[in-house]
Amino acid sequence: AQSVTQPDIHITVSEGASLELRCNYSYGATPYLFWYVQSPGQGLQLLLKYFSGDTLVQGIKGFEAEFKRSQSSFNLRKPSVHWSDAAEYFCAVAPSYNTDKLIFGTGTRLQVFP
Amino acid sequence: KAGVTQTPRYLIKTRGQQVTLSCSPISGHRSVSWYQQTPGQGLQFLFEYFSETQRNKGNFPGRFSGRQFSNSRSEMNVSTLELGDSALYLCASSHGTSGNNEQFFGPGTRLTVL
Repeated sequence: AQSVTQPDIHITVSEGASLELRCNYSYGATPYLFWYVQSPGQGLQLLLKYFSGDTLVQGIKGFEAEFKRSQSSFNLRKPSVHWSDAAEYFCAVAPSYNTDKLIFGTGTRLQVFP
Repeated sequence: KAGVTQTPRYLIKTRGQQVTLSCSPISGHRSVSWYQQTPGQGLQFLFEYFSETQRNKGNFPGRFSGRQFSNSRSEMNVSTLELGDSALYLCASSHGTSGNNEQFFGPGTRLTVL
């Protein structure tokens, strides 16, 4: 069965530091992969997605992610974190090509210190 | 254009009651998906509707049902509420015309079952 693992439940970084959030997936074929962000009391906002092609994808708010098939990973990165990036981040995989159904990881809560 | 709207934003019910949640997708979107978010289980897919037809369903008991209207608005119903149904219910909409469209999430309905 398809699954998504986010090994880090909680990450704390200082403002201006770099960030990498880990995501590993289990999927037989080439997956469709997504990163979403959720601020407290809010819905989910799409940061970026990977369908095919260039394995390094750029997203909004200065985020990028790299798809590595050999490692079954899709890690999210940002070179310099801002205090407003504090939120919960979810990695997701689409298990089928003809549905919008997403399987989400358990999320990583990011805390940013000034 | 207006985003995905969900009503009501907050609900308090007691065990055994039933509840109906509403989701209005972005204009022009034909696919609506529902997710349940809890601290213990995370984000779990409930069901997806496309052009008034259920296209996919998650592993939830039959107490959870949904429907979609001709204007793409969707409702989900939970009958015989249990304490464990307390959660944030999120809906998302997309064009739904091909696999893995970008989904836009609403702010959610926070359901509390007492």
